[in-house]
Amino acid sequence: DTGVSQDPRHKITKRGQNVTFRCDPISEHNRLYWYRQTLGQGPEFLTYFQNEAQLEKSRLLSDRFSAERPKGSFSTLEIQRTEQGDSAMYLCASTTVTGELFFGEGSRLTVL
Amino acid sequence: AQRVTQPEKLLSVFKGAPVELKCNYSYSGSPELFWYVQYSRQRLQLLLRHISRESIKGFTADLNKGETSFHLKKPFAQEEDSAMYYCALSALGTGTASKLTFGTGTRLQVTL
Repeated sequence: DTGVSQDPRHKITKRGQNVTFRCDPISEHNRLYWYRQTLGQGPEFLTYFQNEAQLEKSRLLSDRFSAERPKGSFSTLEIQRTEQGDSAMYLCASTTVTGELFFGEGSRLTVL
Repeated sequence: AQRVTQPEKLLSVFKGAPVELKCNYSYSGSPELFWYVQYSRQRLQLLLRHISRESIKGFTADLNKGETSFHLKKPFAQEEDSAMYYCALSALGTGTASKLTFGTGTRLQVTL
């Protein structure tokens, strides 16, 4: 499968712990996006990268959230001191300049 | 601010009946509109975008700027159309064409 891959697919953690998600985009895609989806809602934009540069961050991203794409390939999304409100599906997507987003299967976070 | 409204959480139709999934948007600039679909146990994928003016899997959508709508239509529903459908909007020509604002989604259920 040469699509966008995300790891882990499901993470259960206790409140206050740190978690990290990884996204491997389609290899020739230079743009990478992170979205969050909570139950009953559509995906909400969090942040995006063009190559290794993080170009925009949503107001949804508190100081506890950080994302990196160090070599312009894979990306990580870290959540520090998790809260129950962080429970959601975290979606990664990648694209070229044509603007069609290709999504991964998502990483589901459950904070107990 | 950008906003996408999908008023129906669930739309149930019989096989062979016409389908119309409603989408209204709010945006002060020139929008680009999309429909994304998520079939059971599959990742979110692009169904169609208004600038391509294509018909995909028998679905069409016309951008009506006067009514700020982008309803998705199909004349004869098939069982395989059962899925979650999301309408999404981006700002045309801003260089961030893939930063999407999604609606809350409509589940289409096609029954025999």
